[in-house]
Amino acid sequence: EAGVAQSPRYKIIEKRQSVAFWCNPISGHATLYWYQQILGQGPKLLIQFQNNGVVDDSQLPKDRFSAERLKGVDSTLKIQPAKLEDSAVYLCASSPSLAGYYEQYFGPGTRLTVT
Amino acid sequence: SQQGEEDPQALSIQEGENATMNCSYKTSINNLQWYRQNSGRGLVHLILIRSNEREKHSGRLRVTLDTSKKSSSLLITASRAADTASYFCATDFAGNNRKLIWGLGTSLAVNP
Repeated sequence: EAGVAQSPRYKIIEKRQSVAFWCNPISGHATLYWYQQILGQGPKLLIQFQNNGVVDDSQLPKDRFSAERLKGVDSTLKIQPAKLEDSAVYLCASSPSLAGYYEQYFGPGTRLTVT
Repeated sequence: SQQGEEDPQALSIQEGENATMNCSYKTSINNLQWYRQNSGRGLVHLILIRSNEREKHSGRLRVTLDTSKKSSSLLITASRAADTASYFCATDFAGNNRKLIWGLGTSLAVNP
């Protein structure tokens, strides 16, 4: 079974530039998550999708971050404009469903450096 | 904050020894999950324990859950150098849309 795919793996941009990350979840997984992980901390949920609908985006800085999951499969996360404090690893995860008890499967992450 | 808290923050042991990490949380949970993160394999799920379970095993891993104390522990027996990683507990809070709340993690170093 193929895992969660993310690209790019690394990105370096200057502040005020824009950047986009892509995620393809495990086939058939209805729930998709985007996390931000700052060095030395645990992952922080940015947005959670169930199919193509948003379940939770309470911690997404909506003035600069946006995300979409068209057709309920792959997803993109965009930052525009980037700030220095956005430097982090952005993790995408998926799970089969919101119902029941399921673990989350993570992609390798995208390491973003904002200079 | 609803964040779980791991203890200790860092742990260094010799190969073959056991390692114990603890996690405390604040509100009622559906389940609690432990994950491992290292540079080679990223963030990987280890064990999920439901709120009505008290203990689960998986290979050299043993997880306990005490809902009265709102705490969990992860025991790694006969540790190996390959167990060197950060370990996170993540709690699925009741009525929280299956959103996991993550702790800061325990950094484990297993010395050969």
